[in-house]
Amino acid sequence: GENVEQHPSTLSVQEGDSAVIKCTYSDSASNYFPWYKQELGKGPQLIIDIRSNVGEKKDQRIAVTLNKTAKHFSLHITETQPEDSAVYFCAASKGTNAGGTSYGKLTFGQGTILTVHP
Amino acid sequence: NAGVTQTPKFRILKIGQSMTLQCAQDMNHNYMYWYRQDPGMGLKLIYYSVGAGITDKGEVPNGYNVSRSTTEDFPLRLELAAPSQTSVYFCASSPGTVGQPQHFGDGTRLSIL
Repeated sequence: GENVEQHPSTLSVQEGDSAVIKCTYSDSASNYFPWYKQELGKGPQLIIDIRSNVGEKKDQRIAVTLNKTAKHFSLHITETQPEDSAVYFCAASKGTNAGGTSYGKLTFGQGTILTVHP
Repeated sequence: NAGVTQTPKFRILKIGQSMTLQCAQDMNHNYMYWYRQDPGMGLKLIYYSVGAGITDKGEVPNGYNVSRSTTEDFPLRLELAAPSQTSVYFCASSPGTVGQPQHFGDGTRLSIL
């Protein structure tokens, strides 16, 4: 089955700095890669996602890059703010391909605790 | 719009007791999922459903059961609670179309003593 490795497990930055979290996956058939942010006592919330036919996607201060050949993808947060402090999870999926058996099941990385110091 | 609602938020069980974790979504999503999250770990899939009457095992199904009698509800049943089932449980749903993300509830924190 799929295996997703996420690094680093903890990341501490100063407000205004950039933060980068990296994930690798094992199954070359995976084609959908979401990133979730989890605040204390809450469920994971999607912040950005990318499909395998795209190399990069950006949404304001957040960007995700995907290298299919190397099977890794990364989350980039620029101009970090204290409210960015949370646990971030990457995930991989084979999507919900018709006729297949993946059914959108996600395999998660272990999570990164991001702390942004004012 | 409530999204995915999980009840209860917290529960303490004794070893051997049983309980049902409730999950309901109001987005008319076909696909629903149950995950558990252990400290310092990512989420692991317990069971999932692609529609009413259809369920299947995920990565860690032992000790759990599910049913899906309606599109909206997807309860998770623990029959004989064990300390290893102490965890935070998350329910999620998605439309079931390609590239559509899963939406998560806020979880049920379960302790078994």
